[in-house]
Amino acid sequence: NAGVTQTPKFRVLKTGQSMTLLCAQDMNHEYMYWYRQDPGMGLRLIHYSVGEGTTAKGEVPDGYNVSRLKKQNFLLGLESAAPSQTSVYFCASSVGHYSGNTIYFGEGSWLTVV
Amino acid sequence: AQTVTQSQPEMSVQEAETVTLSCTYDTSENNYYLFWYKQPPSRQMILVIRQEAYKQQNATENRFSVNFQKAAKSFSLKISDSQLGDTAMYFCAFMKFDMDDMRFGAGTRLTVKP
Repeated sequence: NAGVTQTPKFRVLKTGQSMTLLCAQDMNHEYMYWYRQDPGMGLRLIHYSVGEGTTAKGEVPDGYNVSRLKKQNFLLGLESAAPSQTSVYFCASSVGHYSGNTIYFGEGSWLTVV
Repeated sequence: AQTVTQSQPEMSVQEAETVTLSCTYDTSENNYYLFWYKQPPSRQMILVIRQEAYKQQNATENRFSVNFQKAAKSFSLKISDSQLGDTAMYFCAFMKFDMDDMRFGAGTRLTVKP
């Protein structure tokens, strides 16, 4: 009953360091998403993917890259971390269009950039 | 662009009473979905209720119901018989029928008092 799993759950980075957040889903979903959540701002979409090998920019893509080499995995990369990227990151997945569009979320990854 | 507004940053209610959380949105679309998500202290996002814009009937899930006013672009959540476990952040979200991402409001922090 794993659903959407994110690793790591907590990470502290120094400014300029790089890291990758991994998202895995076991529901055979086509669509996957990366959101960030900042205080008072709700969730904002960073990047998303509508299928294996595809990616697209969301609302706040700058400073991030993503890859979807396998259907079940969606990676979010920070090439040169900045303090402004301190946030909680949520991965999510869904079946896709015309499914009711229910999105299933992971438990979040806390990232602090110092 | 679609926007979602939750005008109540914080609310509180006594256990067993009823509370209504407000949400308004802005769109020129005719077909779309609306959601309420609950985020407890664990930070996991949990779907509470979903409404399809083409349906006139308001969605209901046990103690949770919505008042969907399409013309007014309003989508409020009513929680009846409030329980301590309802204490959480509540996010209203909008998704166009043929779009790939979900837009969130800033959230309402609900506290249920014993």
